[in-house]
Amino acid sequence: QSVLTQPPSVSGAPGQRVTISCTGSISNIGAGYDVHWYQQLPGTAPKLLIYGNSNRPSGVPDRFSGSKSGTSASLAITGLQAEDEADYYCQSYDSTLSGVFGGGTKLTVL
Amino acid sequence: HVQLVQSGAEVKKPGASVRVSCKTSGYTFSDYYMLWVRQSPGQGLEWVGWINPRSGDTNYAQKFQGRVTMTRDTSSRTGYMEVRRLTSDDTAVYYCSRGAHWYTGTSSDYWGQGTLVSVSS
Repeated sequence: QSVLTQPPSVSGAPGQRVTISCTGSISNIGAGYDVHWYQQLPGTAPKLLIYGNSNRPSGVPDRFSGSKSGTSASLAITGLQAEDEADYYCQSYDSTLSGVFGGGTKLTVL
Repeated sequence: HVQLVQSGAEVKKPGASVRVSCKTSGYTFSDYYMLWVRQSPGQGLEWVGWINPRSGDTNYAQKFQGRVTMTRDTSSRTGYMEVRRLTSDDTAVYYCSRGAHWYTGTSSDYWGQGTLVSVSS
């Protein structure tokens, strides 16, 4: 069981907006640790999508956005495209300075 | 450009140890933490730990403490992760990554290609 809780799956039609939630606790997200998001395509290494709760690395489309509030965070994807179909993971840290991950969310583009 | 190149796949027997290497290039090795993550077949990402390349300080996830050791060789810009007393539950792809920013809550901005470690009798 993962420390951070994500929905196992979400889906949306091309062009639509989807959100993926990431729920933690006062020991991790709620303690003020940053939340990061990764996209993983089958058979490949994860790719950084959002860092520091809401920042996009260079090259990541602005269709991807992140937010954080209290003990939770969210990833929003607007203008859904077929190429967005992938697994998405949130990550934060806990008071021992160890990283913690969500269980991952499989995004299906209908 | 930034690259992290990991060692090749390993097949080990239960009880054995494995060492995975992660050779870096394209950036100043000592300016970025190295983080390790693993992924069991069909499962999600699991945190293993990190190493501060300047001091050699490490932090391991509680479940790996006493069984994992991370080291680095600054002269060759290479990080290493050793896992001891392997069981079938350790069968996974192990990834090294670069900490994007110099703080212990950082994200991973560049990743190695992954090393498959298979544990079977």
